[in-house]
Amino acid sequence: EVQLVESGGGLVQPGGSLRLSCAASGFTFSSYWMHWVRQAPGKGLVWVSRINSDGSSTNYADSVKGRFTISRDNAKNTLYLQMNSLRAEDTAVYYCARTQYSGSYFDCWGQGTLVTVSS
Amino acid sequence: DFVLTQTPLSLSVTPGQPASISCKSSQSLLHSDGKTYLYWYLQKPGQSPQLLIYEVSNRFSGVPDRFSGSGSGTDFTLKISRVEAEDVGVYYCMQTIQLPSYTFGQGTKLEIK
Repeated sequence: EVQLVESGGGLVQPGGSLRLSCAASGFTFSSYWMHWVRQAPGKGLVWVSRINSDGSSTNYADSVKGRFTISRDNAKNTLYLQMNSLRAEDTAVYYCARTQYSGSYFDCWGQGTLVTVSS
Repeated sequence: DFVLTQTPLSLSVTPGQPASISCKSSQSLLHSDGKTYLYWYLQKPGQSPQLLIYEVSNRFSGVPDRFSGSGSGTDFTLKISRVEAEDVGVYYCMQTIQLPSYTFGQGTKLEIK
């Protein structure tokens, strides 16, 4: 069964850091682009970042550029999101999702992990 | 900035009746490769989004045939021929022509009367 499982969310103070993980199973992780998409409480979906299959190319939404870093370990079938200088507006459920290639659709999503930035 | 505008933002439908959601793009979603990069997702309450339609009108694996997509250029529509109770949730359109950003519409909440 294809599965994505996020972890690492929690409560953090403004200006703090957090690292999210997404463990993949049931498919050849190293063949897929991976993404992070977030959803603030009661709001819509917002794409955050993506990384290509071998980790050599990354992209970010303007709202997180310079603060967040996406990475992957294909040997461990795991995707990461390092989040620094967190702000209240970063509070959201963070989903990892996969696409077969650049520009393709998200065909599998994790269940999400909640990040709350508050003092 | 690239914008997808969905209407209506909410609708209440009697089971067995049809429903229709519009998604209008600020720019054409027709790529030079001939494909149109418009997708529809459903996020059921408490769940992750699930893909319904890809490239305007293609149903994803396992999606019931009561769901259909149509449109071209900048105007797109998702139709449910006969709404069922399990169809409740928020529907999102999404574009992937303006990479690297993936843009979602603001969502349309479907409720059952």
